Amino acid sequence: QQQVKQSPQSLIVQKGGIPIINCAYENTAFDYFPWYQQFPGKGPALLIAIRPDVSEKKEGRFTISFNKSAKQFSLHIMDSQPGDSATYFCAASRGTGKLIFGQGTELSVKP
Amino acid sequence: ETGVTQSPTHLIKTRGQQVTLRCSSQSGHNTVSWYQQALGQGPQFIFQYYREEENGRGNFPPRFSGLQFPNYSSELNVNALELDDSALYLCASSLASGREQFFGPGTRLTVL
Repeated sequence: QQQVKQSPQSLIVQKGGIPIINCAYENTAFDYFPWYQQFPGKGPALLIAIRPDVSEKKEGRFTISFNKSAKQFSLHIMDSQPGDSATYFCAASRGTGKLIFGQGTELSVKP
Repeated sequence: ETGVTQSPTHLIKTRGQQVTLRCSSQSGHNTVSWYQQALGQGPQFIFQYYREEENGRGNFPPRFSGLQFPNYSSELNVNALELDDSALYLCASSLASGREQFFGPGTRLTVL
C-alpha cells in the first residue's frame, strides 16, 4: 500500500513532442505528489507538485494531471526539448514525512 | 541562498568498514532526510531528522544511523558495510512545516 507505480520505464520522443509519464498509488492518505527530474550523476531536482484537491497544475512547459478517484497522476512535458532528456520520478507523501518514489522513467528527446 | 551540499562526492570502501557521509541543509531549512538510491532505482527513504532527533525511519537496519547538529547539518553513518550498500546516498532538506524536499548532489558510495 506504500508503493507508487510508474510507467513507462523508458520513453523516446521527437523534439516538440509531448511525453506523458504515469503514476498510480494505493494509499489514500497521501496528500502531496511531486515530480522530480534527475540528470546522470546529479541529485533529483523538484519540478512541480500537486495536492489532491486540484485536478491540474501547470508550471511552464510541465503539467500535472491528477485523478483522485482513479488514484493516478501524470506528468506532461509540452514542446519537449533535447535538454529535457533525463530520468523523471514521481513521488507521494503524507504530511511532511518521507517521500515514496516511483521506479523512474528515462526520457530521451531526439533532435 | 545556498543549496543542499554533500560530502564527499565519491567514496570507495571495503566490506565490513564504516563510513560517514555529511550534509549541509539549504539555508533556513531545519529538517533533513536521507535516501539511498541504487542504480536504476528510485530513492528509498532511510530516515529523517528534526531538532536533532530521528523523526521517522524507513526499512533499513540499525547499522544505518544518523545525527543532526544544532546548525541543522547532518551525518549518515553506516557500519559493517555490505556490497549491497553500494549506492548514491542523497540528502534532502525541508522546512518542518513544508512538503517540498530539496536534494543535494549525493555521495556515490562503492563497497568492494
